[in-house]
Amino acid sequence: GENVEQHPSTLSVQEGDSAVIKCTYSDSASNYFPWYKQELGKGPQLIIDIRSNVGEKKDQRIAVTLNKTAKHFSLHITETQPEDSAVYFCAAVVTGGGNKLTFGTGTQLKVEL
Amino acid sequence: KAGVTQTPRYLIKTRGQQVTLSCSPISGHRSVSWYQQTPGQGLQFLFEYFSETQRNKGNFPGRFSGRQFSNSRSEMNVSTLELGDSALYLCASSLGTAVTDTQYFGPGTRLTVL
Repeated sequence: GENVEQHPSTLSVQEGDSAVIKCTYSDSASNYFPWYKQELGKGPQLIIDIRSNVGEKKDQRIAVTLNKTAKHFSLHITETQPEDSAVYFCAAVVTGGGNKLTFGTGTQLKVEL
Repeated sequence: KAGVTQTPRYLIKTRGQQVTLSCSPISGHRSVSWYQQTPGQGLQFLFEYFSETQRNKGNFPGRFSGRQFSNSRSEMNVSTLELGDSALYLCASSLGTAVTDTQYFGPGTRLTVL
């Protein structure tokens, strides 16, 4: 089955700096890659997603890039703010596997003042 | 529009007991998936339901089961509870089962097994 690796497990940045989280996947049949943000006591919330036919997608301070050849995808957050502090999960969905999400192990992002 | 709701939010059980968790999807959503979240194993897929049919199942023992009702509400049941079943159980709903149908998560049910 699909396997998703995520790095780093923790990331500490200064307010205003950029943060980058990287994921790799194993199944070349994966074609949809959402990113979720989970705050304490809440369920994961979708923040951005990308399909396999797109190389990059941006939404204000958040961007995601996808390299299908290398099976890598990354989340970029610019101008980080304290409210960006949370756990971020990447995920992959395999074609033909319904909409089962295979998650990475998560990145605890801390934005320091 | 109301989000995904899960009840109860917290539950304490003892080993050997069984438990039933409930999930009400967003209005109009027909697909419901369940995930287990633990510090050690992360977020793991349990099962997916659409139109009252289980479409997909993760690698969990048969003690874990679920069902979906005609109004798309879903329940999951864990029988003969073990200490290792302590986890946050998350329900997610989506419009359908297309790969790109966004899954919206509820706040979860925190199960503690003593």
